[in-house]
Amino acid sequence: GENVEQHPSTLSVQEGDSAVIKCTYSDSASNYFPWYKQELGKGPQLIIDIRSNVGEKKDQRIAVTLNKTAKHFSLHITETQPEDSAVYFCAASPGSARQLTFGSGTQLTVLP
Amino acid sequence: GAGVSQSPRYKVAKRGQDVALRCDPISGHVSLFWYQQALGQGPEFLTYFQNEAQLDKSGLPSDRFFAERPEGSVSTLKIQRTQQEDSAVYLCASSLEYRTTDTQYFGPGTRLTVL
Repeated sequence: GENVEQHPSTLSVQEGDSAVIKCTYSDSASNYFPWYKQELGKGPQLIIDIRSNVGEKKDQRIAVTLNKTAKHFSLHITETQPEDSAVYFCAASPGSARQLTFGSGTQLTVLP
Repeated sequence: GAGVSQSPRYKVAKRGQDVALRCDPISGHVSLFWYQQALGQGPEFLTYFQNEAQLDKSGLPSDRFFAERPEGSVSTLKIQRTQQEDSAVYLCASSLEYRTTDTQYFGPGTRLTVL
């Protein structure tokens, strides 16, 4: 089955700096790659997603890039703010199934 | 509009008790998923429904876990004879249709603690 690896597990940045989180996946048939933000005591919230027919997608301060050849995708957050502090999860949807396989998460801390 | 809701938000059970966790998906959503999230980990798939049909239950860890969605809307995850290793957050997600590229919207989860 699909295996998703995510790093780093923790990331601290100064307010205003950029943050980058990287994920790799194993199933070359995977075609959907969402990113979720999870705050303490809450469910995961979708922040951006990318489908396999595009290489990059941007939404204000957040961007995601996808390299299907290398089977990796990355989340980029620019001009970080303290409210960006949370756990971020990448995920992949295997081509053979509808469920998501998640990475192990990145605890992002934005220092004021 | 209303998102995915789950109840109860917190549940404490003694080892050996049965529990039932409820999920109300977004109205009209065809697909419904249950995930289990252990502390400090990413969610892990348990089971998937398309309308009332349970199409995939490959993630259920044992036959003590049972899920249903009899009318294609509300779903219940039941855990019989709870064990300490069942302690986790149980997340429900729904999506509008049934494609692998459909966005999944998550509820707030039910935190289950088994003593």
